[in-house]
Amino acid sequence: EDQVTQSPEALRLQEGESSSLNCSYTVSGLRGLFWYRQDPGKGPEFLFTLYSAGEEKEKERLKATLTKKESFLHITAPKPEDSATYLCAVQVQFNNAGNMLTFGGGTRLMVKP
Amino acid sequence: DAGVIQSPRHEVTEMGQEVTLRCKPISGHNSLFWYRQTMMRGLELLIYFNNNVPIDDSGMPEDRFSAKMPNASFSTLKIQPSEPRDSAVYFCASSQAGLETDTQYFGPGTRLTVL
Repeated sequence: EDQVTQSPEALRLQEGESSSLNCSYTVSGLRGLFWYRQDPGKGPEFLFTLYSAGEEKEKERLKATLTKKESFLHITAPKPEDSATYLCAVQVQFNNAGNMLTFGGGTRLMVKP
Repeated sequence: DAGVIQSPRHEVTEMGQEVTLRCKPISGHNSLFWYRQTMMRGLELLIYFNNNVPIDDSGMPEDRFSAKMPNASFSTLKIQPSEPRDSAVYFCASSQAGLETDTQYFGPGTRLTVL
């Protein structure tokens, strides 16, 4: 069974204090790993897709990396506006489920000024 | 681009009543997904459609839930009869299956409260 585990569940940072969020996965064959940001009262907003181990993508203060077992979302010098829940999800190859995503439980990030 | 549109944004109903949630996917997308999000269980896939055809409904909790997609620009999720444990935020998402990115884009959600 495909599993996605995110840690920590919650993370409090001071503005400017860099850190990383973890997404560990166990799947039969990874087609893609997705990162989303979700603000309270809104739907998840797409950030990145990673397809193969060693791949990295960046957007402003965020950088996502991928290994064969996990992905990290690095946040450099965060600002209060980076506060949100960050979700990762995996899409699996070679099953009948097509383009389904399996989501992790999310990491709730709070950045204090 | 309008994005995924959902209505209503909020719904409060009494136990036993029928509830219908609506979704308009992004124009040109051929896959549509219904999710439910709760604090306890996170984001769960209920059902998804490819080219208006239901592909996997294994996440639908029970027969009280049904979903339809009569055309490429409209889908409904119906709960009949509703129960308090159905209270959650329901999201619709769409994607263009077959492309390399295959990214799902989410709507703003419908917050359902069943009293």
